[in-house]
Amino acid sequence: AQTVTQSQPEMSVQEAETVTLSCTYDTSESDYYLFWYKQPPSRQMILVIRQEAYKQQNATENRFSVNFQKAAKSFSLKISDSQLGDAAMYFCAYRSGPSGTYKYIFGTGTRLKVLA
Amino acid sequence: DVKVTQSSRYLVKRTGEKVFLECVQDMDHENMFWYRQDPGLGLRLIYFSYDVKMKEKGDIPEGYSVSREKKERFSLILESASTNQTSMYLCASRHGDWGTEAFFGQGTRLTVV
Repeated sequence: AQTVTQSQPEMSVQEAETVTLSCTYDTSESDYYLFWYKQPPSRQMILVIRQEAYKQQNATENRFSVNFQKAAKSFSLKISDSQLGDAAMYFCAYRSGPSGTYKYIFGTGTRLKVLA
Repeated sequence: DVKVTQSSRYLVKRTGEKVFLECVQDMDHENMFWYRQDPGLGLRLIYFSYDVKMKEKGDIPEGYSVSREKKERFSLILESASTNQTSMYLCASRHGDWGTEAFFGQGTRLTVV
């Protein structure tokens, strides 16, 4: 069975600085998707970034980028130029590829605090 | 934009009551999910439905059932609410054939007293 581990329950970053959130996962599959979701205090989960496992290139969305290490089964999220609005819970998630199950498997989350 | 709407943001119910949590999506998605979110445990899958009238148990289905009579609506039912079902409940949906990410509702915080 697949598992997702986020070992940092809480992180803090100074406004305008860079922070990296860690995520590791375990799977025997070769085709899968990885996601980072953000859950602000309003509670609506929002997709931040996604990565297809077959793509070598790391995904980037504006100030958000990932470091995807397939062999190490690591998928970290880097937030550059942190802003107060980045404060939220961040969840790493795994989903099997097209021939796999429909399930999304989530980590336990990292609470990010942004200090003014 | 995809919209996933949960019928209530907050609910307070008594032990033993039958509770219905409703979720509606407006993007013709085949797949729908109910998750439970608890501090330190992340999101745990209760049930999912890959199409109308189709459902599969997730990781923690005990004490819950679901109904999907129409494509846009997925209901979570607590047959006899208990205090250990006090939690945040999140509904999500996804396009079945080509969708990758799931889209979430705003969550329902259920308190069972």
